[in-house]
Formats: sequence, structure tokens, C-alpha cells
Amino acid sequence: QKEVEQDPGPLSVPEGAIVSLNCTYSNSAFQYFMWYRQYSRKGPELLMYTYSSGNKEDGRFTAQVDKSSKYISLFIRDSQPSDSATYLCAMRRGVLGFQKLVFGTGTRLLVSP
Amino acid sequence: GAVVSQHPSRVICKSGTSVKIECRSLDFQATTMFWYRQFPKQSLMLMATSNEGSKATYEQGVEKDKFLINHASLTLSTLTVTSAHPEDSSFYICSGSGGGQNNEQFFGPGTRLTVL
Repeated sequence: QKEVEQDPGPLSVPEGAIVSLNCTYSNSAFQYFMWYRQYSRKGPELLMYTYSSGNKEDGRFTAQVDKSSKYISLFIRDSQPSDSATYLCAMRRGVLGFQKLVFGTGTRLLVSP
Repeated sequence: GAVVSQHPSRVICKSGTSVKIECRSLDFQATTMFWYRQFPKQSLMLMATSNEGSKATYEQGVEKDKFLINHASLTLSTLTVTSAHPEDSSFYICSGSGGGQNNEQFFGPGTRLTVL
């Protein structure tokens, strides 16, 4: 069993839709959770990060962590064609920058005009 | 966010040759740098973690004699793929972190290696 599971998609939605992206994990030691966006043939770009359970909002993006269920989500409101990319969840055991991240496989999102 | 560059962005080489990839943190000091490999439609797989001035720590299954990592300064790390083979063809991505609390990993744009 992988430590982090993520549906690879693709997920196709029309412009303006609300998008929900999810990951589940098995290691209860994970405490620090991140979402990255990766465009084709580019490096990942950090979108959101949260520590422990709860919600965090930044513009059209909301990250949600439910540690009791070992489930994290990223919501994108008013999706745009420019949001079309692969979204990777990542997590690590602690808050320190030298600690390694464990990534999900990534979900490919396609937003059509 | 902080900026990490990689050079070259793309390289094609013959089987049996060695290739060096550079990773630079442009506006911060990366006490820790990470090297990842990403195959098509797959996620990032961590290859090794390196701290400035120390030997790199390799993940299980990654050959340290084949993938040589040097982290000689707080702004530069290099990955050398020695005696490259076609199965080494992949997208190699580095990231850097300041290492402290809540310090994030900032990723480079990646290097696409093709071994003929």
C-alpha cells in the first residue's frame, strides 16, 4: 500500500465549476500537508500548505485536512482554463524544511472554456 | 516564493556517457537540497537528500555510485548521472529548502534527460 493515494484523473470540468481534489494517506505521523501545481514539463509550484487539521483559504483555493480520516482536500472555486495542470498533494512528518516530502501521484485537471 | 534554477533544461546524451545537472538557489540559502526523478504520468520520487557540506542520503534503491550528488555551497548542488543508460531517461527535478521551521521546498524547473 502506498503511503499517499491520489486519483490520477484526468478530471474534466467546465470553466467556472468548483473542483475538489483529494488525497488519502496511511501514516498517522504526517502533520504537514501541501498542495503543489505542476504544469507540463515544469517543476512543481507550491499552492497551499497546512499544519495539522483544519481549513485554510487563499483566494480561490481552500485546503482542508481531516487527520481523523487521514484525508486532505483542495477546493478550487470558479475554475479557469489556466488552472489546467497536475495537482500533487505532499506531506511530511514535521515542520522542518530538511525533512522529506512524500508525494501523491498527482491528479490531472482539465478546465474547458 | 524563492527561486531555484536548473541547468540544462534538456540534455540528450549517448549511452555510457556522464551527464551533470546543476541546481542553484538564486535568492535564498538552501541548507538542504533534494533530488527527484519523475517518469511520465508518475509522481515525484525522491532520490536523495543533501545538506551543504555533507554526504547525500540516498533513498532505498537509488545507486549512490551512479547518481553522484555534490552540495558544495548553500546555493549550488549538482547531480551527475554516470554511465547513463536509456532507462535513466527521465525528468530530474531539484528542490531547495532553508531547512528551518516551516521552511518550504522550492522546486526548480526540471531537466529532461534523454539517453540514446
